[in-house]
Amino acid sequence: AQSVTQPDIHITVSEGASLELRCNYSYGATPYLFWYVQSPGQGLQLLLKYFSGDTLVQGIKGFEAEFKRSQSSFNLRKPSVHWSDAAEYFCAVLDNNAGNMLTFGGGTRLMVKP
Amino acid sequence: SQTIHQWPATLVQPVGSPLSLECTVEGTSNPNLYWYRQAAGRGLQLLFYSVGIGQISSEVPQNLSASRPQDRQFILSSKKLLLSDSGFYLCAWKRIMNTEAFFGQGTRLTVV
Repeated sequence: AQSVTQPDIHITVSEGASLELRCNYSYGATPYLFWYVQSPGQGLQLLLKYFSGDTLVQGIKGFEAEFKRSQSSFNLRKPSVHWSDAAEYFCAVLDNNAGNMLTFGGGTRLMVKP
Repeated sequence: SQTIHQWPATLVQPVGSPLSLECTVEGTSNPNLYWYRQAAGRGLQLLFYSVGIGQISSEVPQNLSASRPQDRQFILSSKKLLLSDSGFYLCAWKRIMNTEAFFGQGTRLTVV
């Protein structure tokens, strides 16, 4: 079965610093991978997605992620974090066995220090 | 454009009371519909999905049930709530052949 692991439950960075959120997946075939962001008390917004092709994908709000098949990873990065980036971030893989829906990791809560 | 509505936004219910959360999608037809739960400090767990009217699949055994009485309406229910049913419930939809899913704003349920 597909699974997604986000090793870091909480991360705190200073505003302006770079950010990397880790995501590891387990999937038998080529995965379809996603990063979503959730602001407090809100639904999920798609940041970016990877299907095939270029392993470095660009998303909204200045985020990017790199797919590394050899490491089964899809880490999210941002060169300079803004205070408004404080939120919870979820990595997900498309699961064809669950109604063609997404299997999510446990999430990483990002806090930004001024 | 497509939109997804989920209500209520917050709900406080006593243990043993019934539950009904509603989700509707506009601007598309025959969507796949999903209910997720996010317990405090935990990730998102898929509870139910539906690929058509009256078709419900459950991912985990639980105290909840789901129904799809209309093409774009998905309802999450319980006859008697438990404390462990507290959490943040998210409805989502996607087209069958597409990969991106769209989420509602969620319902914060607190069972007291």
